[in-house]
Amino acid sequence: KQEVTQIPAALSVPEGENLVLNCSFTDSAIYNLQWFRQDPGKGLTSLLLIQSSQREQTSGRLNASLDKSSGRSTLYIAASQPGDSATYLCAVSPTATGTASKLTFGTGTRLQVTL
Amino acid sequence: GEEVAQTPKHLVRGEGQKAKLYCAPIKGHSYVFWYQQVLKNEFKFLISFQNENVFDETGMPKERFSAKCLPNSPCSLEIQATKLEDSAVYFCASSQFLPTDTQYFGPGTRLTVL
Repeated sequence: KQEVTQIPAALSVPEGENLVLNCSFTDSAIYNLQWFRQDPGKGLTSLLLIQSSQREQTSGRLNASLDKSSGRSTLYIAASQPGDSATYLCAVSPTATGTASKLTFGTGTRLQVTL
Repeated sequence: GEEVAQTPKHLVRGEGQKAKLYCAPIKGHSYVFWYQQVLKNEFKFLISFQNENVFDETGMPKERFSAKCLPNSPCSLEIQATKLEDSAVYFCASSQFLPTDTQYFGPGTRLTVL
C-alpha cells in the first residue's frame, strides 16, 4: 500500500527566504506526482505535475523535482511571500494499469510566511 | 465552465438522514473524482467516473454511498443513513483526457452530521 509522507509538518519563514518542502513515497511504481496548495476552507489548487519520466518542473517561483528511484520529491519556493502561506500537499498517481486512477495524498506541510 | 463547481457549500444532517452532494466538472473533462477529507490533511479517494461510467470505485463504502454521473446533469454523491463519521469535506475533481492528467479540484462541500 502506497504511503506518502511530507516533512516538515509545519514551517514558518520570514518573507524573502527560499525554502524546500519534502515529499517521500514508499512505492516507486508511480505514474506521476502532483503538488497542490490548499488555503484554509478552500479546495486544492494544482501547482505542478511531474511525470514519472521527468526529473523536474518549474512554474514561476516554484520548482519541483522528482527522484522516483529513491521515492522522493521536493518543492522549492524561491523568494517566499506572505501570499504563499497555505498547506502544501503532494499526491502520487499509481502506474496506469487497469482502472487505477486515484491520487494518494501526503500528510501536508503547513507553511507560514511572515512579514 | 472553467472551474469545478460543487453544491451545496455546507450541508448539515441529523444522523440517519440522507445527504446528496453535487459536482459539475470543467466542461470538456472526461474524468470525475470524489475524495473525502476527514482530518485536516487526510484525503481518501472514493470513486471516479469516465463520462457516465464508473472507472474506479475501490474507495467507495458500498453499503451507504452511491454516486452517479449522468449526461447533461451534475454528478452526484449520495449518502444514505448518514453516520457521525461521515462528517467531512467532500471534494470533487476533474481531469481532461486521462485519469492521470492534472486533477482540478472544486471548493468542496462540508458535511456535518449531528
